[in-house]
Amino acid sequence: KAGVTQTPRYLIKTRGQQVTLSCSPISGHRSVSWYQQTPGQGLQFLFEYFSETQRNKGNFPGRFSGRQFSNSRSEMNVSTLELGDSALYLCASSLGTSGSPSWETQYFGPGTRLLVL
Amino acid sequence: TQLLEQSPQFLSIQEGENLTVYCNSSSVFSSLQWYRQEPGEGPVLLVTVVTGGEVKKLKRLTFQFGDARKDSSLHITAAQPGDTGLYLCAGAQPGGYQKVTFGTGTKLQVIP
Repeated sequence: KAGVTQTPRYLIKTRGQQVTLSCSPISGHRSVSWYQQTPGQGLQFLFEYFSETQRNKGNFPGRFSGRQFSNSRSEMNVSTLELGDSALYLCASSLGTSGSPSWETQYFGPGTRLLVL
Repeated sequence: TQLLEQSPQFLSIQEGENLTVYCNSSSVFSSLQWYRQEPGEGPVLLVTVVTGGEVKKLKRLTFQFGDARKDSSLHITAAQPGDTGLYLCAGAQPGGYQKVTFGTGTKLQVIP
């Protein structure tokens, strides 16, 4: 079974630009969660999508948005990039049947490393 | 916002030594998970503990959930270089939809 894939793996952008990251979950998984990982703040929850609907959201500004397609693939968009957005962005998929990723095993992708200059 | 503090932040030990990593919070969690993350990869789930006082063993790794479900520990016996990585605890708060909060992380290096 193929794991969670994320594209691109590395990305360099400049301040003010926008970026779109993609995540393909494990086949059959309907829940996709996004996380931001930085050395200073650790791993922080951005949002979770299930059946094309955002089911839960973390404490990030509106510049961070996402969506999920009917095939469960998900994209995350960050507009008006700031230097502080430099981070590893991880997505994780799970079956989604329990209503919460915390009760199910989440499978993480390798992440997209974003550098904002 | 719930906080999960892990200690120590960094640990460098020789192969064969034992170690314990702690995960503490002032809040109660309905469940707690431990992950290991290696460079260039995403975290991989090691264990989920749900019941206060629960102890789970995974080969040389022993996980314990505190009686009050506010803290947890991970003990590694006879550490090996393959144990090197970032260890993360993650807690889910009780009631309603459970949002996962990750701990601050413990970076472990096991020297051959």
